[in-house]
Amino acid sequence: DAGVIQSPRHEVTEMGQEVTLRCKPISGHDYLFWYRQTMMRGLELLIYFNNNVPIDDSGMPEDRFSAKMPNASFSTLKIQPSEPRDSAVYFCASSLWGLARNEQFFGPGTRLTVL
Amino acid sequence: AQRVTQPEKLLSVFKGAPVELKCNYSYSGSPELFWYVQYSRQRLQLLLRHISRESIKGFTADLNKGETSFHLKKPFAQEEDSAMYYCALKSNFGNEKLTFGTGTRLTIIP
Repeated sequence: DAGVIQSPRHEVTEMGQEVTLRCKPISGHDYLFWYRQTMMRGLELLIYFNNNVPIDDSGMPEDRFSAKMPNASFSTLKIQPSEPRDSAVYFCASSLWGLARNEQFFGPGTRLTVL
Repeated sequence: AQRVTQPEKLLSVFKGAPVELKCNYSYSGSPELFWYVQYSRQRLQLLLRHISRESIKGFTADLNKGETSFHLKKPFAQEEDSAMYYCALKSNFGNEKLTFGTGTRLTIIP
């Protein structure tokens, strides 16, 4: 298994453009998490899904951000319109069940730069 | 609200010396605490969780509810321990949200 797969690995875009980040979780995992990592705020949970259903989106910064999970093997995080302050590394992670007794596996991240 | 504080952004330790990475938390209930590690050019990965009470790669961490701390310790540092370390907290109410600290970059000096 290749683990959690994210694409693209790097994205450079201009302010105002739409950005779509993609994630393929580990097969069979019920939970999928999206995180954002910045120097100032560290690693923050944006949203997580259980069985394709969004459970907690309290970390989504504003309406410009949206996330979907149309099936068990694919999720997207969309930013529209993008702004320079969205520049960060975005991580996707998945786990088999809840985190108390199950490890969360992270993807390699997507480094987003908004000019 | 839950919060995790890692007071040291950078920590340098000589090889063979003891290591202690500090983590303090703020949470009104009984938390579940974790340490995650990211080695150079590798993915973020779980190092240990407090409920397992285990030692991983020589590291241990004890949950001290009185001091609201979960410090990570190792008696003798090795060069391969150089990495970024994150402390994380999860509530025990069935929500899978992890709150991370800002991380400590540990450098082991040969």
